[in-house]
Parts: sequence; C-alpha cells; structure tokens
Amino acid sequence: GDSVTQMEGPVTLSEEAFLTINCTYTATGYPSLFWYVQYPGEGLQLLLKATKADDKGSNKGFEATYRKETTSFHLEKGSVQVSDSAVYFCALTSGANTGNQFYFGTGTSLTVIP
Amino acid sequence: DAGVTQSPTHLIKTRGQQVTLRCSPISGHKSVSWYQQVLGQGPQFIFQYYEKEERGRGNFPDRFSARQFPNYSSELNVNALLLGDSALYLCASSSIGGGQTQYFGPGTRLLVL
Repeated sequence: GDSVTQMEGPVTLSEEAFLTINCTYTATGYPSLFWYVQYPGEGLQLLLKATKADDKGSNKGFEATYRKETTSFHLEKGSVQVSDSAVYFCALTSGANTGNQFYFGTGTSLTVIP
Repeated sequence: DAGVTQSPTHLIKTRGQQVTLRCSPISGHKSVSWYQQVLGQGPQFIFQYYEKEERGRGNFPDRFSARQFPNYSSELNVNALLLGDSALYLCASSSIGGGQTQYFGPGTRLLVL
C-alpha cells in the first residue's frame, strides 16, 4: 500500500544553517506530494506541494522536488530561522481512487537555536 | 476567509463514554476528512466525506462513525471510548473529492481517562 518514510528526528540546527529533511514514498499510480508544518499546539499548515514528476514546490524559502526515479521529495531550506522551529510532515495522496486519503510520515521535529 | 473550524478545542472523557466532534469546512469546500494524530506520530486517516457520502475509510474500528450535513459540516462520533483513543483529532477540507490539497483545522484534543 501507499506509505511515506521520513527522516528521523529531532533535528537541531543553528540559525542560518542549511536544512534537509529526507522523505521517500511508496505509492500506486501517480501521487501528489506535500509538506505540512505543525507549530506547537496547532493543526497542520500546508507548506508546499508538487503534483507530478520533476515539479518543484516552494514557499517561504523552503523547496522540494518530486523525484520519481528515486521516489523522493526531500525538503530543503538554505538558511533556517528560529521561527522555522516546528514539526514537518511529508505526505502523499494518490487521489480519487483512494478516496483522497492522505498518508503522512511520522514527522521530523526541527529546533533552530540562535 | 475563515479556515476550517473545529469544536470543541479540548475534551476530557472517561472510558466507555461517547464523544462527538464537529467540523466546519472552508466555505465552498464540499469534502471533509478526519484524521487521528497520536502524540509523536503523523496523522492517520479515519474518514473522508464528499457531497454527504462516505468516500473513504481508514483502518479504524466500527466504534468510529461520521456523517456530513447538507451545509458540508461534519461530525465524528466515537463510542465506547478507550484510553488509546486519546489523541488530537484533525479535520481537513478540500474543494473536491480526489487528489486535492487538504486544509486542516486546529484540531480537537481528546483525553480519555
């Protein structure tokens, strides 16, 4: 079945460091891929998405490229800020055939220190 | 525009009780999905409703049920609560039933004692 495997955390970085959070997936068909962010005590916010191979999603300095050949969707940011501290979830949906069910990874906690 | 809203924000119940959680989707969205997020884990899919019909169901027992109303709002019911049902319950809405971005509400935190 469909699944997402996400880099284990927690991750601690200094401000302005480079961030990579790895995400690989298993899916039937042609899934859409997402990164969501969850701040303490809040729900999930969409960070970025890509709907087909080689698409690059980007938002707020974060980027991720849909790589079909490696079944990956790694999240990157060139210079993290303290305000980026949160839990990041990689997710996929294979669309209508699966009732639009989203499959989430286990989440990666990021802490950025000044 | 208002986002997805959920009520209540927090709830404490005891084992064996029943609970009803409520969700209002973003205006214009006809699809609502429910997820359970246990502490330290990613959300797990429970149900999806589109145009008042169930379109998908995750691997949850029959104690979990849901429905969607003509105004597209939704309720999630859980009967015979167990300690393991303690979690954050998230509602998400999307504009159509399949393959579209889901927008999440702040969740209802349920504690079962």
